[in-house]
Amino acid sequence: NAGVMQNPRHLVRRRGQEARLRCSPMKGHSHVYWYRQLPEEGLKFMVYLQKENIIDESGMPKERFSAEFPKEGPSILRIQQVVRGDSAAYFCASSLLRDRGYGANVLTFGAGSRLTVL
Amino acid sequence: AQTVTQSQPEMSVQEAETVTLSCTYDTSESDYYLFWYKQPPSRQMILVIRQEAYKQQNATENRFSVNFQKAAKSFSLKISDSQLGDAAMYFCAYRSAGGSQGNLIFGKGTKLSVKP
Repeated sequence: NAGVMQNPRHLVRRRGQEARLRCSPMKGHSHVYWYRQLPEEGLKFMVYLQKENIIDESGMPKERFSAEFPKEGPSILRIQQVVRGDSAAYFCASSLLRDRGYGANVLTFGAGSRLTVL
Repeated sequence: AQTVTQSQPEMSVQEAETVTLSCTYDTSESDYYLFWYKQPPSRQMILVIRQEAYKQQNATENRFSVNFQKAAKSFSLKISDSQLGDAAMYFCAYRSAGGSQGNLIFGKGTKLSVKP
């Protein structure tokens, strides 16, 4: 089991360009989560997706950021017209089941994608 | 809104000794989950231990144990017999039992160094 795979590990973009980060969940996992980690900070929740559905996007910036998890292929976090403040590590996590109000389903994290905006 | 506070930006421990990392949180909810994650230099986030708030018994995983004080809203991590491989950033995290499954709230982390 390859775990949660994220690519690219490092991405450099100039201001105004687009950044696309990919996440392949663990085999059998159908729930994906994106988090952002700014320097010297903890991870902050951005969005939670199931196949072809956005479940919770309460942590996503209102503009320039979007996420999808298509029926086939990896989940994509897309940042349009990047600015220097977007420089961060972006982590993806996946899980097997949606929590039904009991138990604490474990999120498995990928190694992250580090975005640098010049 | 819930918050998680880790008051120790950095900690150091001698190999084979014991170290305790502090974490406090603020919530008005009665049912929730608490986690400790480890982030080594590889940046991979690894779950160390988890605690359900409704359980009074403190969770343990081998050399890792927690001291969960619900009334005080405290959730410290104790690492016994520290090893060089324990050196990493450690993040405390909170999740509401009723909220979105993925909405973990993290503290800012504690950097743990292990001296040989």
